[in-house]
Amino acid sequence: RKEVEQDPGPFNVPEGATVAFNCTYSNSASQSFFWYRQDCRKEPKLLMSVYSSGNEDGRFTAQLNRASQYISLLIRDSKLSDSATYLCVVRRSGGGADGLTFGKGTHLIIQP
Amino acid sequence: EAGVTQFPSHSVIEKGQTVTLRCDPISGHDNLYWYRRVMGKEIKFLLHFVKESKQDESGMPNNRFLAERTGGTYSTLKVQPAELEDSGVYFCASSLGVVNSPLHFGNGTRLTVT
Repeated sequence: RKEVEQDPGPFNVPEGATVAFNCTYSNSASQSFFWYRQDCRKEPKLLMSVYSSGNEDGRFTAQLNRASQYISLLIRDSKLSDSATYLCVVRRSGGGADGLTFGKGTHLIIQP
Repeated sequence: EAGVTQFPSHSVIEKGQTVTLRCDPISGHDNLYWYRRVMGKEIKFLLHFVKESKQDESGMPNNRFLAERTGGTYSTLKVQPAELEDSGVYFCASSLGVVNSPLHFGNGTRLTVT
């Protein structure tokens, strides 16, 4: 089983809709969780960290379920500019860079 | 504040040639990382510098890859001799190193070995 798994998509969603996708991780010792966004042929950029209690940043909501070992990202009122690949990133205990594991990403396409 | 910069943005070389990639981290970031994304695969860790010291190079594929960070500022990643399977996008990232501090990525160098 891969350490971090994501549905690659693509998710085709009409503008204005709500979309959510999950990411599962296999290592129960994982401590930190992030969602990164990567546009086509660009570098990954931090979208948001994921906190145990769940957190919201504007239209974006991230949640962590430790019992089931998954994190989720929900985007409300989706915009055309939300089209991108969303990378789930998990850091194991210790916090070193070697503990950072990336998922393959979920490709989101917002359609007008 | 300038971000992480990488040079070149693209490189096309023939199998057996040498290529050197450069990364300038964000000023003040002691932690510098190299990652690689091969087509169709996830981003994978290569190595991690803290200042000029290699903290972890467990992700380096083989001894054809050599990374340096003299003086603890910019870093270079040399591939010699390049093989076809080295093609991919090489990302550099830097961070402050505080627990949970995010990584800031450069634009990447797209390497094509023909």
